[in-house]
Amino acid sequence: QSALTQPASVSGSPGQSITISCTGTSSDVGGYNYVSWYQQHPGKAPKLMIYDVSNRPSGVSNRFSGSKSGNTASLTISGLQAEDEADYYCSSYTSSGYVFGTGTKVTVL
Amino acid sequence: QVQLVQSGAEVKKPGSSVKVSCKASGGTFSSYAISWVRQAPGQGLEWMGRIIPILGIANYAQKFQGRVTITADKSTSTAYMELSSLRSEDTAVYYCARDFRWTQEYWGQGTLVTVSS
Repeated sequence: QSALTQPASVSGSPGQSITISCTGTSSDVGGYNYVSWYQQHPGKAPKLMIYDVSNRPSGVSNRFSGSKSGNTASLTISGLQAEDEADYYCSSYTSSGYVFGTGTKVTVL
Repeated sequence: QVQLVQSGAEVKKPGSSVKVSCKASGGTFSSYAISWVRQAPGQGLEWMGRIIPILGIANYAQKFQGRVTITADKSTSTAYMELSSLRSEDTAVYYCARDFRWTQEYWGQGTLVTVSS
C-alpha cells in the first residue's frame, strides 16, 4: 500500500486560508468516505482534526474543514493562526487497514 | 477522559525483539480497536496494525506481517505491540491509538525504540 500524496509544504500569512491536498486511489481515498486529518507539533503525538472526510471532533476549531472529490481529499485552514504551524497528515481507511499521507509542513509567515 | 499511557523508551540490538505496552483508562477498553502507528525520525506516519480487544482479533499491514504481533489484555486494559527481528530501520517512535469509527481518535504519548549495535 503506497502512502497518499501530499505537498511537502504549504505556507500562508496570518488570517489567510490555505488548502492541503491528499491524493490516493480508488482503493483508498476514492473508495471510502473515511478520510481523516491529523495535526502534529514537533515532539508531540498526532491530534485528530477531521474524520469521515469532513467531521470535526469536539473541541477542534471550525477554522478546520475537510472535503473530498474523487481520489483527492483536502483540508482547509481558514483564518490561519500562528499555532496552526505544524505538520499535517491525511489518512484513509482501506480494505486492509489504513494508509497515511506523506505529510505537509504548514508554515505561518 | 480517555488516556493511553505507553511504556518507556527502549534500546535494542539488531535481531532482537521489543514489546511496547499501552495502558488505557477513562473508557470502555474492549469495545474499541487499538491501532499501532510508527514514525521514523523525520519521517511520516505508518500504520502497523490493530486489534479489537473484545474479539481478540488482530490484523496487520502487509509490510509487517510475520514480524509484528499485537495483543490485548482486557483484565488490565492494556494493549501490546511486539516487533521481532529488529533492524536499524525500525528505529522510530511507536504510538498506540484508540480507533473511533474509521480513524485514530486518541493517541498515546509515543515510545522511542532505538535499534543499534
